[in-house]
Amino acid sequence: DTAVSQTPKYLVTQMGNDKSIKCEQNLGHDTMYWYKQDSKKFLKIMFSYNNKELIINETVPNRFSPKSPDKAHLNLHINSLELGDSAVYFCASSQVLAGTDTQYFGPGTRLTVL
Amino acid sequence: AQSVTQLGSHVSVSEGALVLLRCNYSSSVPPYLFWYVQYPNQGLQLLLKYTSAATLVKGINGFEAEFKKSETSFHLTKPSAHMSDAAEYFCAVTNPNTGNQFYFGTGTSLTVIP
Repeated sequence: DTAVSQTPKYLVTQMGNDKSIKCEQNLGHDTMYWYKQDSKKFLKIMFSYNNKELIINETVPNRFSPKSPDKAHLNLHINSLELGDSAVYFCASSQVLAGTDTQYFGPGTRLTVL
Repeated sequence: AQSVTQLGSHVSVSEGALVLLRCNYSSSVPPYLFWYVQYPNQGLQLLLKYTSAATLVKGINGFEAEFKKSETSFHLTKPSAHMSDAAEYFCAVTNPNTGNQFYFGTGTSLTVIP
């Protein structure tokens, strides 16, 4: 009954590969997010997405793309992985229209690019 | 535009001592403010939130925070630190009118000394 789940928990891959991280929320929320947390623990928003609007942080390389098959899922696809992509990636969700905007986070995916 | 600044990237307290983690915000509109905690190798968990109701907000695990508009602050406190409080703490701000953009601080790592 996990609220926000991510798979895989750990991902180790070679430079140049393409990989995806999956995220699912069972909270019925209307908005989902992807964050990148670097080695200094700094959290940076990458995307926010609901069924109407995708907001992209302009600093995110276009090698990163969110894909949402339905309201409960927002997967992160990364092309041509680079060493600097190594980080922990967090998915989150919220019900924006509820007025409190609390974001609920998944457990994270630790990506290591060799 | 909105942002938060967390003063002190590392804070150490003795077990049983007062915990004070500082957060100052900048916002062009009355904000919503949040404190999240991240235990090692885990995702972020909501501690408490301010959504324009009571200025003194009580959260989980004995933590509380006070919204002070005159000081643009939302400091997190706990009267008596416990060993289990050792974690990374993040302050965040969002615009209630748009709701889907969280701005996180750079985090404060709390160490509790036995």
